[in-house]
Amino acid sequence: TQLLEQSPQFLSIQEGENLTVYCNSSSVFSSLQWYRQEPGEGPVLLVTVVTGGEVKKLKRLTFQFGDARKDSSLHITAAQPGDTGLYLCAGAQVDSWGKLQFGAGTQVVVTP
Amino acid sequence: SAVISQKPSRDICQRGTSLTIQCQVDSQVTMMFWYRQQPGQSLTLIATANQGSEATYESGFVIDKFPISRPNLTFSTLTVSNMSPEDSSIYLCSAGFLNEQFFGPGTRLTVL
Repeated sequence: TQLLEQSPQFLSIQEGENLTVYCNSSSVFSSLQWYRQEPGEGPVLLVTVVTGGEVKKLKRLTFQFGDARKDSSLHITAAQPGDTGLYLCAGAQVDSWGKLQFGAGTQVVVTP
Repeated sequence: SAVISQKPSRDICQRGTSLTIQCQVDSQVTMMFWYRQQPGQSLTLIATANQGSEATYESGFVIDKFPISRPNLTFSTLTVSNMSPEDSSIYLCSAGFLNEQFFGPGTRLTVL
């Protein structure tokens, strides 16, 4: 059973459309990370959110951490083919000694 | 952040043999981790590589099957022992800084 429930599992959209990926849990996290992974490579850290209610923007990507620090979302505006990849959320619990709990991942495909 | 390299990048091995994967970090880190990942799926933590002491294994993973070394703060190895086709997977190492982790490019292992 995944501690972090990530949805949807798969998302296929056209270039220029918007998309949102969700990461939910019943547990509280001290921080939450979002990663993007492309085939043949390791996950690349996109952002870390640590404060409940925090919103971070990275160009066309907007990340939000829930007020209770149990959930997060990633929103991409005007998606481009370069946004294609596996998006993973990962949470660190208090006293986890640096260990992360990963969601199941969302495969995003953006077609031209 | 950190730059992490892994060797080999891929290998094809025969059933019953062992493979040692190396992970090198470009700076000293306290935490190093080893993961397994099926293509397109999420990451499963194998163990935390502790410097100067035995690795800490997650449920379902044992030292006899996945011995880990951590001789210093920049290097670790994972050995996949007595391999079977079920061990075919991508193996990733990561370096931890507080609650963030940075990943190597992975080792794609195929066992025939």
